[in-house]
Amino acid sequence: GAVVSQHPSWVICKSGTSVKIECRSLDFQATTMFWYRQFPKQSLMLMATSNEGSKATYEQGVEKDKFLINHASLTLSTLTVTSAHPEDSSFYICSARDRRTYATNEKLFFGSGTQLSVL
Amino acid sequence: GESVGLHLPTLSVQEGDNSIINCAYSNSASDYFIWYKQESGKGPQFIIDIRSNMDKRQGQRVTVLLNKTVKHLSLQIAATQPGDSAVYFCAERLNKGAQKLVFGQGTRLTINP
Repeated sequence: GAVVSQHPSWVICKSGTSVKIECRSLDFQATTMFWYRQFPKQSLMLMATSNEGSKATYEQGVEKDKFLINHASLTLSTLTVTSAHPEDSSFYICSARDRRTYATNEKLFFGSGTQLSVL
Repeated sequence: GESVGLHLPTLSVQEGDNSIINCAYSNSASDYFIWYKQESGKGPQFIIDIRSNMDKRQGQRVTVLLNKTVKHLSLQIAATQPGDSAVYFCAERLNKGAQKLVFGQGTRLTINP
């Protein structure tokens, strides 16, 4: 199956700093990427939809100035958590859809996730 | 952080037995469904999908059943193995034009030796 690489897998940072998470599709082009957040023992919560070359679409309640998303190429999307605080500590997961299946909007492939801990 | 009082539904089965994980969805217009497996500290892994014009689809050791009448989806895993222990999520596409998937709450499957 298609491979989505997410980096870093974990990060610890001080409160007030910014953290960038990268999501790359390794063997396919992804017109659309998605960013999810997951708290312990909970389901995945969609934060935003990222389309290559355009602004991301954020879900209700997600601060776009807090969670900056850039999708500059067909294989790379980044999520930057700006001025991170302890309540931002969570597991962040990206996913991508193969451009070739875009027409059917099916089957997302997920990265391995990034555990963010803000001290 | 973690919500107080929130627990994942759990299912424990003996190794070698079959398991059935259930998922209820609420949107009758949903036209596509996927099951994902998530191991601790990892991203979800695709297992099997099904479109709404089907009621059953089989993969290797897994079968997905879709009952649109009662808006119910199930994942059957045959001859469970220790490696099947994980959290399983169903996800639905709310309509054909939707880009995103909406995930269910998940079920933790534990395989007992």
